[in-house]
Amino acid sequence: RKEVEQDPGPFNVPEGATVAFNCTYSNSASQSFFWYRQDCRKEPKLLMSVYSSGNEDGRFTAQLNRASQYISLLIRDSKLSDSATYLCVVKTPQGAQKLVFGQGTRLTINP
Amino acid sequence: EAGVVQSPRYKIIEKKQPVAFWCNPISGHNTLYWYRQNLGQGPELLIRYENEEAVDDSQLPKDRFSAERLKGVDSTLKIQPAELGDSAVYLCASSLVEDRVQVVYNEQFFGPGTRLTVL
Repeated sequence: RKEVEQDPGPFNVPEGATVAFNCTYSNSASQSFFWYRQDCRKEPKLLMSVYSSGNEDGRFTAQLNRASQYISLLIRDSKLSDSATYLCVVKTPQGAQKLVFGQGTRLTINP
Repeated sequence: EAGVVQSPRYKIIEKKQPVAFWCNPISGHNTLYWYRQNLGQGPELLIRYENEEAVDDSQLPKDRFSAERLKGVDSTLKIQPAELGDSAVYLCASSLVEDRVQVVYNEQFFGPGTRLTVL
């Protein structure tokens, strides 16, 4: 079983729609959680950290369920510019600095 | 402020040839990472440096891969000899880690990567 699992998609949704991505992780001792965004042929960039209480940044909402070892990302009112691959990332307790990436979920927003 | 710099951006070699990648982290960042990203997958850590010390190289295939970070700044990653399965994007990232306990959410900044094709 992979340490971090995501639905690879692709997700194709119309502009303005709400889309949700899910991610599960296997190590219950994982310390912190993130969503990274990666545009085609570009490097990953941090989109947002995921806090235990859930957090929101504009149109983006991240949720963490430690009991179920589950992370989610919700994008409301999607824009064409949201088209990218979204990587679920978990920081393991091992050395506290190792990021483990999911394979990513590819999202395409259609006009 | 300049980001993480990597070179070359693209490299095409024949199998069994050696290849080297170079990374210059963000100024002041003490921690440097090398990742490999295969097509359709997320990045996988190869090696992590804290200053000039390799603190996690458990995922580095040591029979053919080597890395160094002299003086705790720039780093090079080498493959010798390259195999067909080494074709991937090699990403370098850096971060500032000041306190092992405190810094749980510190951000890693990635360079643009080197796209390696082994023929």
